[in-house]
Amino acid sequence: NAGVTQTPKFRVLKTGQSMTLLCAQDMNHEYMYWYRQDPGMGLRLIHYSVGEGTTAKGEVPDGYNVSRLKKQNFLLGLESAAPSQTSVYFCASSSRRQGGNTEAFFGQGTRLTVV
Amino acid sequence: AQSVTQLGSHVSVSEGALVLLRCNYSSSVPPYLFWYVQYPNQGLQLLLKYTSAATLVKGINGFEAEFKKSETSFHLTKPSAHMSDAAEYFCAVSPDDKIIFGKGTRLHILP
Repeated sequence: NAGVTQTPKFRVLKTGQSMTLLCAQDMNHEYMYWYRQDPGMGLRLIHYSVGEGTTAKGEVPDGYNVSRLKKQNFLLGLESAAPSQTSVYFCASSSRRQGGNTEAFFGQGTRLTVV
Repeated sequence: AQSVTQLGSHVSVSEGALVLLRCNYSSSVPPYLFWYVQYPNQGLQLLLKYTSAATLVKGINGFEAEFKKSETSFHLTKPSAHMSDAAEYFCAVSPDDKIIFGKGTRLHILP
């Protein structure tokens, strides 16, 4: 009963390095999201996907790329990390809305520090 | 763009007192609304969601929220605060395929 699993849980990067955060969900959800959480800013949407092979930009997409090659996985990439990307990153998933209100299920987060 | 505003980044209440966390949304139509809670070093957990079936929504841990269209509000309440309620609370709205969060309110419980 894993739900949403994020890998890794912690990471320290040097400025300019690249990395990929992996999100996996086992609930057969159509929608997946990547957020970043910073003190006093709440959760801000980076990118999201409404199905396998689709991605869309959220509020703060610059400096990030995503891919959804498989329905259960949503990858977030940082091509050239910057200190401003130091944050806690959360992945979430939800089922497709069909005339009702569907909530998102969250992973435990990835704490990323860029030095 | 649709958004939510949470009034007060920090709220302190005494144990046993009423908890009231405020959320206002911007929307021209009744939106999909949520309250989430985040305990330290954890992900977000759903407290409750508005379903349009009832304006008063009951959630987990004794929390409830009332949808007031005339005030575009969805405030979260709990009659009697417990020490275990200390956490950060987020109001969220889902106008389309996205879920947009407020900036959060950290709830402190005073003994």
